[in-house]
Amino acid sequence: DAKTTQPTSMDCAEGRAANLPCNHSTISGNEYVYWYRQIHSQGPQYIIHGLKNNETNEMASLIITEDRKSSTLILPHATLRDTAVYYCIVTPGAGSYQLTFGKGTKLSVIP
Amino acid sequence: EAQVTQNPRYLITVTGKKLTVTCSQNMNHEYMSWYRQDPGLGLRQIYYSMNVEVTDKGDVPEGYKVSRKEKRNFPLILESPSPNQTSLYFCASSRGQFNTEAFFGQGTRLTVV
Repeated sequence: DAKTTQPTSMDCAEGRAANLPCNHSTISGNEYVYWYRQIHSQGPQYIIHGLKNNETNEMASLIITEDRKSSTLILPHATLRDTAVYYCIVTPGAGSYQLTFGKGTKLSVIP
Repeated sequence: EAQVTQNPRYLITVTGKKLTVTCSQNMNHEYMSWYRQDPGLGLRQIYYSMNVEVTDKGDVPEGYKVSRKEKRNFPLILESPSPNQTSLYFCASSRGQFNTEAFFGQGTRLTVV
C-alpha cells in the first residue's frame, strides 16, 4: 500500500473551512484515497473516499490532484465537534481489514 | 440503526485469565476485523475475516484468537492475557472489499494487571 504523509497537527477557527492535506506520491492506479477521523478515543469514523475525481458528501469534500499524488480534505464550516485526529489512507480496496492507519493529523477547532 | 457493537466497553482482568470480547454487526457485512490502538503506535490490525469460517492474521496476531461461526459475530479471544495486551480494541466491519467504507465499534478498553 502507498505511504501517506500528513501534518502532525493543525488549528482551525470555528466556522472557517478546515483544509487537511495528504501526500501520497507513490499511489498506484488502483488505490483509493480514504479519510477517516477519530474523535477522542471513539471508533474511527468514515468521512469520504475517492479514486480520481473530486468527491463531496454531507460531511466534507475531497480534492485529489490530477496526478493523484496528493489530496485535500475540506470541512467547509468547522465546528468544535470536528476536533479529532484525521487519517488519510490509500488502499486498493477498503474492506475493513485493508486499512493501514498512520499517525494522522490532529485538528483542533478553536472557538 | 446500522452499528457495530462491542462488549464489554471496559474490562480489567488479571494475567492468565481467559477472556472474550464480543463484536456484533447488524449490516450483514462479510468483512470484519479487529484492531488494537496503543499510544505512539496507532491502530494495528490483529485479525480479520472475509466471511464465515474464513479468518486470517493481521499485523499483530500473537496472543489472540478469533472465530467467525456466524456472519454477524466476530469475537476476540485472549486465552492467557498478559499486561502487554493492555490496549484499546476496535472491531470493524465492511460490506465488501472494494470501494466501500468500514464501520467501527465504540471500542473496548482492556487492562491486564
